[in-house]
Amino acid sequence: DIVMTQSPLSLPVTPGEPASISCRSSQSLLYSNGYNYLDWYLQKPGQPPQLLIFLGSNRASGVPDRFSGSGSGTDFTLKISRVEAEDVGIYYCMHHLQTTTWTFGQGTRVEIK
Amino acid sequence: QVQLQESGPGLVKPSQTLSLTCSVSGDSIGRGSFSWSWIRRPVGKGLEWIGRFYDGGATNYSPSLKSRVTISIDTSKNQLSLDLRSVTAADTAVYYCARGGVAGAGALRYWGHGLLVTVSP
Repeated sequence: DIVMTQSPLSLPVTPGEPASISCRSSQSLLYSNGYNYLDWYLQKPGQPPQLLIFLGSNRASGVPDRFSGSGSGTDFTLKISRVEAEDVGIYYCMHHLQTTTWTFGQGTRVEIK
Repeated sequence: QVQLQESGPGLVKPSQTLSLTCSVSGDSIGRGSFSWSWIRRPVGKGLEWIGRFYDGGATNYSPSLKSRVTISIDTSKNQLSLDLRSVTAADTAVYYCARGGVAGAGALRYWGHGLLVTVSP
């Protein structure tokens, strides 16, 4: 099974400042088609999770451009260029290689300082 | 617009079977074009992927739940189903259903609102 490890697990942020979350997988998520099968999700309080980034670096429709995803293979990063108050919640990475079972990272709780 | 809605009992007794359904609108679940997943979030913990139904008939389950879970579809009702057997208090969680995006645009693109299921005598 692929293990997903996020860091940090808690991230106090200041509005207007950048923020970054790391996600590492125990096996490469780069498939032979050139795509990294890694998504990022945000679960805001009282809401279902929402897709932010798919295939490592593609923003989902409606996601503000202050969110960006990068990385390849086993190391991935989610960046928020300027945090806003509405960005609080728990961020999860998840791999979805089609050849195996899927797993989430532990989650990173982002809160305003 | 694709919409999903979970339904089922909010309280299940230990050792019984938890059975949930996910009603789908805006898409035909029988098309076989997408993955349809169940995910849960135990109270105070993170998200856990339970399993999926895909390619019109294949299933894939989390190794930790594989011996107790069955995911299926009912094309006549346009529903996704989850059966989790021999439940314990550790299965208390908010359960979500989700559908993948077009052409791999997100494994879990559309989500239901979630249903809290409590396992208690």
